[in-house]
Amino acid sequence: NAGVTQTPKFRILKIGQSMTLQCAQDMNHNYMYWYRQDPGMGLKLIYYSVGAGITDKGEVPNGYNVSRSTTEDFPLRLELAAPSQTSVYFCASSYPGWRREGGSPLHFGNGTRLTVT
Amino acid sequence: GQQVMQIPQYQHVQEGEDFTTYCNSSTTLSNIQWYKQRPGGHPVFLIQLVKSGEVKKQKRLTFQFGEAKKNSSLHITATQTTDVGTYFCAGMENNAGNMLTFGGGTRLMVKP
Repeated sequence: NAGVTQTPKFRILKIGQSMTLQCAQDMNHNYMYWYRQDPGMGLKLIYYSVGAGITDKGEVPNGYNVSRSTTEDFPLRLELAAPSQTSVYFCASSYPGWRREGGSPLHFGNGTRLTVT
Repeated sequence: GQQVMQIPQYQHVQEGEDFTTYCNSSTTLSNIQWYKQRPGGHPVFLIQLVKSGEVKKQKRLTFQFGEAKKNSSLHITATQTTDVGTYFCAGMENNAGNMLTFGGGTRLMVKP
């Protein structure tokens, strides 16, 4: 299993450009998430999905959009890139049925390092 | 909304010294998870605590969940250079689906 795969690894965007960050998982996980991590900081949830066709906003959704047409894929779209979106973006997945109690651990991709200038 | 605070933000230790990071939630948690992120890497799940007062050990790492289920700690005994990285706690509230709120992390640096 490849786990959670993110592409690209690095990207530099000019202000106002758009791009899609790709995320795919091959573990048949229902839940998928997008986080951003600013330098020296923790992880902030952007969007999440509990299954194909269902998405919801996290803590910092402004400036982003997502879609979940399949269980495997959860792309993140930036429409009008701004310098404030310079960050490392992590996609993660989890399988809620993993435990009888508590939560399920998140499996993270390797991240996409995005710079907007 | 829920907030999860971690202290300290940074910690330098000499190899062989002990290290502790503390995590506090503004709300009562259903469970708490701990992750480790190596420099330049991605967070990797370490452990989950579910029960009030729970203590779990993984070799030199000891994890505790407070009695009120609002705080947690990670203690590393006799640090090694392989322990370098940032340690995050992540709390989950009751009825929150599988949504985690991450703390800001504690970055551990170990001098050989």
